[in-house]
Amino acid sequence: EIVLTQSPATLSLSPGERATLSCRASQSVSRDLAWYQQKPGQAPRLLIYDASNRATGIPARFSGSGSGTDFTLTISSLEPEDFAVYYCQQRSNWPPWTFGQGTKVEIK
Amino acid sequence: EVQLVQSGAEVKKPGESLKISCTGSGYSFTTYYIAWVRQVPGKGLEWMGNIYPGDSDTRYSPTFQGQVTISADKSFKTVYLQWRSLKASDTAMYYCARGPLIDYWGQGTLVIVSS
Repeated sequence: EIVLTQSPATLSLSPGERATLSCRASQSVSRDLAWYQQKPGQAPRLLIYDASNRATGIPARFSGSGSGTDFTLTISSLEPEDFAVYYCQQRSNWPPWTFGQGTKVEIK
Repeated sequence: EVQLVQSGAEVKKPGESLKISCTGSGYSFTTYYIAWVRQVPGKGLEWMGNIYPGDSDTRYSPTFQGQVTISADKSFKTVYLQWRSLKASDTAMYYCARGPLIDYWGQGTLVIVSS
């Protein structure tokens, strides 16, 4: 089973700052990695798929990069609505559709 | 418009049985996998298992194998998650999701198990 490890667990930043979130896989997932955003009381929302493709309606300030075992989600300039929990998920070698444990982006 | 609509919140006692549902619309129901994902309050997302409604092929996470049953009814475009005997530790939000690239999620079903 592929294990996804996200870091850091919590990121404390101010609006306008750049956020860099990491997701590391225990073995290669090629580019079959997605990122999701979850706000309190809501279902997760797809942000990025296939490592670097923005989902429909996702603002350009969100970008993804990486391949193999190391991936990054970057939010270029944090907006107030971006403070949330972010999860990565792989679909390269499934089942299971593994999720990372999440990174919380909180207001500093 | 693609939608996954889940059944409403449930409050149950330990030992009781439960079946919750997820109904798909706006897409070809039999050609996408549906997964169930658990989220314990304040915790992360856990994949429980998935089913392919086209042929009912079902896979489970080892954590949930034998604890729950996932099934589908193509005629009703509905996938189910069932427990025979609930435990307090089953208290969580349960999401259905279309995948394996999870592009659509249900709104979640809160299950509370308490004596």
